[in-house]
Amino acid sequence: SQQGEEDPQALSIQEGENATMNCSYKTSINNLQWYRQNSGRGLVHLILIRSNEREKHSGRLRVTLDTSKKSSSLLITASRAADTASYFCATDDGETSGSRLTFGEGTQLTVNP
Amino acid sequence: GAGVSQSPSNKVTEKGKDVELRCDPISGHTALYWYRQSLGQGLEFLIYFQGNSAPDKSGLPSDRFSAERTGGSVSTLTIQRTQQEDSAVYLCASSLIPFYGYTFGSGTRLTVV
Repeated sequence: SQQGEEDPQALSIQEGENATMNCSYKTSINNLQWYRQNSGRGLVHLILIRSNEREKHSGRLRVTLDTSKKSSSLLITASRAADTASYFCATDDGETSGSRLTFGEGTQLTVNP
Repeated sequence: GAGVSQSPSNKVTEKGKDVELRCDPISGHTALYWYRQSLGQGLEFLIYFQGNSAPDKSGLPSDRFSAERTGGSVSTLTIQRTQQEDSAVYLCASSLIPFYGYTFGSGTRLTVV
């Protein structure tokens, strides 16, 4: 089964609104990463949050991590049409030193102009 | 190079034929990964290279799939006797530090007819 699962599966908002996507995972982790994928393209790394961090910011992105609930959220503030993409969370396996990333199925975000 | 380059970008092949997919990672990135993405789905891990060796090839779905990496750089993924269920986008990624901040290529869209 997927280590990371995002919800909602799809989200449609108006330009200027905030978008929040959530990710839940099952096992302990060392870090959690968020990626964006524009249609027909590869994934682009957005931000990484370590298991001992609770919140991280990068520009209009804000990521939170709650290890007790095994969940993370990605907030995009003041959204733009160019933010339209699929967003994936990826987790490693905290029980293993140096493990490959497992990706969720993603949230499709549509920002309407 | 400036980014991860994959070729071909599109490949249509007949069932039963062999195909070879190529990935040219970012210069200096010792870690390289292959993933597979079916339509509207998340990413399925295939194999991970550190240098020329593959410490984790647990994701290869069958013995029809093989991959190699030479000179710590270019990698090829070979699928023998292709089946229709092999149709997917094959994504390659590389990273400077294993499992941190992957840079993805744009993928090879494989269609088996």
